[in-house]
Amino acid sequence: GEDVEQSLFLSVREGDSSVINCTYTDSSSTYLYWYKQEPGAGLQLLTYIFSNMDMKQDQRLTVLLNKKDKHLSLRIADTQTGDSAIYFCAETGSNDYKLSFGAGTTVTVRA
Amino acid sequence: NAGVTQTPKFQVLKTGQSMTLQCAQDMNHNSMYWYRQDPGMGLRLIYYSASEGTTDKGEVPNGYNVSRLNKREFSLRLESAAPSQTSVYFCASSDGTGGNQPQHFGDGTRLSIL
Repeated sequence: GEDVEQSLFLSVREGDSSVINCTYTDSSSTYLYWYKQEPGAGLQLLTYIFSNMDMKQDQRLTVLLNKKDKHLSLRIADTQTGDSAIYFCAETGSNDYKLSFGAGTTVTVRA
Repeated sequence: NAGVTQTPKFQVLKTGQSMTLQCAQDMNHNSMYWYRQDPGMGLRLIYYSASEGTTDKGEVPNGYNVSRLNKREFSLRLESAAPSQTSVYFCASSDGTGGNQPQHFGDGTRLSIL
């Protein structure tokens, strides 16, 4: 795994959609992950996508992958106050133990 | 429904003291990991254990040792704590080391070295 970059902060109004973006440099990345960290807690796996997929949807979450541009995004529909957290993008190869994490995007949901 | 359990949750040490952080998982996972989390840097891998009886260095192993006590438990030891080791430490486990085997994390140990 190589560098993974994310914007540090995102503020969104309750009920709107949130889009969190991530770019990575390792062209051999096979799996890409989104984790959520609430204050004082560990990382909770939200979803992950295999690199031969362009999109994955799971209830309010939609992951989009542009492998050509090495760009990953997480869209949260109908954002709620409980979605306020830090969101980490991470990537690894198919047989690679090492997860490379971005620095995390702090999402603040305002009323 | 415990998953990955870390103890202690908080600890304050003086420079030079030693400390062992404990981690146990009840998911029958083969692989376990120790990470540290520092502000603005995401998580960095310290050591990992691909299976019981094996351990390997990660990205930032200096100043740490690990023991894979059995399949359930993986401990991290600081022999002589330094202020630079002030961090939040996370243990994780997965069924294997492949990318299609997501890692599951504990709630962390918040460690301060004075």
